[in-house]
Amino acid sequence: DIQMTQSPSSLSASVGDRVTITCRASQSISTYLNWYQQKPGKAPKLLIYAASSLQSGVPSRFSGSGSGTDFTLTISSLQPEDFATYYCQQGYSTPLFGGGTKVEIK
Amino acid sequence: QVQLQESGPGLVKPSGTLSLTCAVSGGSISSNNWWSWVRQPPGKGLEWIGEIHHSGSTNYNPSLKSRVTISVDKSKNQFSLKLSSVTAADTAVYYCASKVNSGTYYFDYWGQGTLLTVSS
Repeated sequence: DIQMTQSPSSLSASVGDRVTITCRASQSISTYLNWYQQKPGKAPKLLIYAASSLQSGVPSRFSGSGSGTDFTLTISSLQPEDFATYYCQQGYSTPLFGGGTKVEIK
Repeated sequence: QVQLQESGPGLVKPSGTLSLTCAVSGGSISSNNWWSWVRQPPGKGLEWIGEIHHSGSTNYNPSLKSRVTISVDKSKNQFSLKLSSVTAADTAVYYCASKVNSGTYYFDYWGQGTLLTVSS
């Protein structure tokens, strides 16, 4: 089974900071990697699919990159509404989510 | 825009069977999407439970396969989840979601989620 490892599990950042979250797959998944944002008490929201494609309506400060086993989600300038938990999900085989990265206010 | 709405009892006794339904509106359940269930225990991450296509084909998480049944009712534009022999470990928020195959498989629409508690 493909395992997904996210890092860090949490981070503290300030408004305006550039934030990078990493997701690593235990085997190559090409670009079959998706990113979600989840706020407390809410359902996850799709941000990025196919490693780097921005979902419609998602602000351009969010971007994704990577292929094979290593992927990153970058928020170019953190906004107050971006404090949330972020999950990667491999879309190669049986859906599997990473453990999540909680982005907190510094 | 597709909207999904879960419904269910909220509380199930240990060893009982959990039953949830997801009503789909704004789109047809007979589209080419797969209709999925995902759960999230309190304070923890997301776990995919399984999925169904309108054709009736299903796929289940191997770790839950022996206890899970997902069915579809095209006449009502809804799909359902049954999870048997529940324990406290099955306490979670249960989401229904639509899964798209666009090369990669991703979940584009989600229900709001429903908390299911297993307790006597």
